[in-house]
Amino acid sequence: ETGVTQSPTHLIKTRGQQVTLRCSSQSGHNTVSWYQQALGQGPQFIFQYYREEENGRGNFPPRFSGLQFPNYSSELNVNALELDDSALYLCASSLRRTGEDTQYFGPGTRLTVL
Amino acid sequence: KNEVEQSPQNLTAQEGEFITINCSYSVGISALHWLQQHPGGGIVSLFMLSSGKKKHGRLIATINIQEKHSSLHITASHPRDSAVYICAVKKGGSEKLVFGKGTKLTVNP
Repeated sequence: ETGVTQSPTHLIKTRGQQVTLRCSSQSGHNTVSWYQQALGQGPQFIFQYYREEENGRGNFPPRFSGLQFPNYSSELNVNALELDDSALYLCASSLRRTGEDTQYFGPGTRLTVL
Repeated sequence: KNEVEQSPQNLTAQEGEFITINCSYSVGISALHWLQQHPGGGIVSLFMLSSGKKKHGRLIATINIQEKHSSLHITASHPRDSAVYICAVKKGGSEKLVFGKGTKLTVNP
């Protein structure tokens, strides 16, 4: 068991709505990364948070935003949902340390936008 | 062209066979990850490599930095090894992981 949990497991929204996905990091981890995985594709990096600050971002528009809290749990917020936002959203936590940054993935949240 | 390419895309094997999955990348990296994803989405990190070779049970991962190539080997494959295997690289100077599209492995009894 990785210790990384995500909620909810599944979610259905309609176009234009807003959604918040949650991730609880493995104990002691200070870094969380979020990924979007469309059906049949590899995950795409959305952004990473390290000690509550955004620390790298992929090619996603500003309507994708995030937060990391002092207890290192994290949220991914998506505004103005579009049909193409339908995907599996994965978070992964890690402990940033020289030479060791193995990421531990959560089970994912499957978002369907109708 | 994707920065990370995996081959084959799909692989079917008989139980007991030796499996090799390949990953080539075109960017400078600080590390390469092999991941396993089961139906339903859960991803497990198998290896993180920056050089050489690592072994865990029946799994072996190798990387050749000069050739920008890595392989994942599974010895004595078993139906429970059936999953999607994903190669991901951490680009040098970046926190970003870039993923291949995955190799779907099916091991038949």
